[in-house]
Amino acid sequence: DIRMTQSPASLSASLGETVNIECLASEDIYSDLAWYQQKPGKSPQLLIYNANSLQNGVPSRFSGSGSGTQYSLKINSLQSEDVATYFCQQYNNYPLTFGSGTKLEIK
Amino acid sequence: EIQLQESGPGLVKPSQSLSLTCSVTGYTITSGYDWSWIRKFPGNKMEWMGYISYSGSTNYNPSLKSRISITRDTSKNQFFLQLNSVTTEDTATYYCARYSWGPHYFDYWGQGVMVTVSS
Repeated sequence: DIRMTQSPASLSASLGETVNIECLASEDIYSDLAWYQQKPGKSPQLLIYNANSLQNGVPSRFSGSGSGTQYSLKINSLQSEDVATYFCQQYNNYPLTFGSGTKLEIK
Repeated sequence: EIQLQESGPGLVKPSQSLSLTCSVTGYTITSGYDWSWIRKFPGNKMEWMGYISYSGSTNYNPSLKSRISITRDTSKNQFFLQLNSVTTEDTATYYCARYSWGPHYFDYWGQGVMVTVSS
């Protein structure tokens, strides 16, 4: 199985700040990576696919980057509605695997 | 609008079977895509459990392969999860989701159903 190591586990930032969340794959996943946002009590929503493609309707303050084994999600100009848990997920190989999640809070 | 809705018992006894239903509206499950079950454990760990494809083929996470079965009823546009011999470690929120192939991602999710395994 491809192991996805996500960091940090939790993050507290101020409104308007920029935050970065990292995912490290145990092997090259060739940009086969998605990022999801899960707000409390809701199901996950797709933000980014193919490591850097923004899903329709997702605000442009979200962006993804990376290649090989290292990937990141960047949120610019943090808004209150960004409070959520964020997950990465690889689809390069089965079984599909997820990162352990990053819980984002506002200071 | 495509919607997925999980249903099933919220409490299962250890050693018994967990059975859940995902009802899909707005899209016919035999038209395309893979139809997955995913679970989220307390503490946030997410696990893909398996899928049934539009054609009826299945693919399971090897960690569950001896205990899991995903089937469907095309007349009701539903697919099902059965997980046998559950333990307390199977306590989780269970989601059904549609998996797109090109590009690859889970694009529609149910709201999730919490299942507790306890005597």
